[in-house]
Amino acid sequence: KAGVTQTPRYLIKTRGQQVTLSCSPISGHRSVSWYQQTPGQGLQFLFEYFSETQRNKGNFPGRFSGRQFSNSRSEMNVSTLELGDSALYLCASSLSPQDTQYFGPGTRLTVL
Amino acid sequence: KQEVTQIPAALSVPEGENLVLNCSFTDSAIYNLQWFRQDPGKGLTSLLLIQSSQREQTSGRLNASLDKSSGRSTLYIAASQPGDSATYLCAVEDYNFNKFYFGSGTKLNVKP
Repeated sequence: KAGVTQTPRYLIKTRGQQVTLSCSPISGHRSVSWYQQTPGQGLQFLFEYFSETQRNKGNFPGRFSGRQFSNSRSEMNVSTLELGDSALYLCASSLSPQDTQYFGPGTRLTVL
Repeated sequence: KQEVTQIPAALSVPEGENLVLNCSFTDSAIYNLQWFRQDPGKGLTSLLLIQSSQREQTSGRLNASLDKSSGRSTLYIAASQPGDSATYLCAVEDYNFNKFYFGSGTKLNVKP
């Protein structure tokens, strides 16, 4: 069974631009969560989607948004990029919100 | 707010040793606790998931325990191997807000 896939794997943007990251969960999984990982802050929860509805949101500014489609694929968008947004963005999927999460390889975003 | 702490931050052991990684959390109202490993530059791999009603989970050479009342979990690795070298993270799903909180990780180095 294919794992969680994230595209693109690497991305370089400049300040002020916006970016969209994509996550395809494991087939049959309906819950998708997004995390940001930076050396200074570690892993931080961004948001969680289940059946196209946002269930939870972490403490991030409104520049960070996401959505989930009917096929459970999810996208996250970051607008007006800042240098501090440079990070590894991880997506995880699970059958339902309380089940084991399986992580994708991440998208490495660099903001110049 | 839930806080997750992992001790030690780094650990270096010779191959073959048994070792214990520690994770503590401040709020015992959790849905579950999960242990992950992360290899350099890669995403997270789930190792063990312990539901709040469980005391321990085992998978191969790994055993994780959970003491919710004291806010502690341990990950026991038996007969360590160089391939076990990675960063190990624990995460709790908070019962009250359904958010995920990660520890900062323990970087393990197993020397041949």
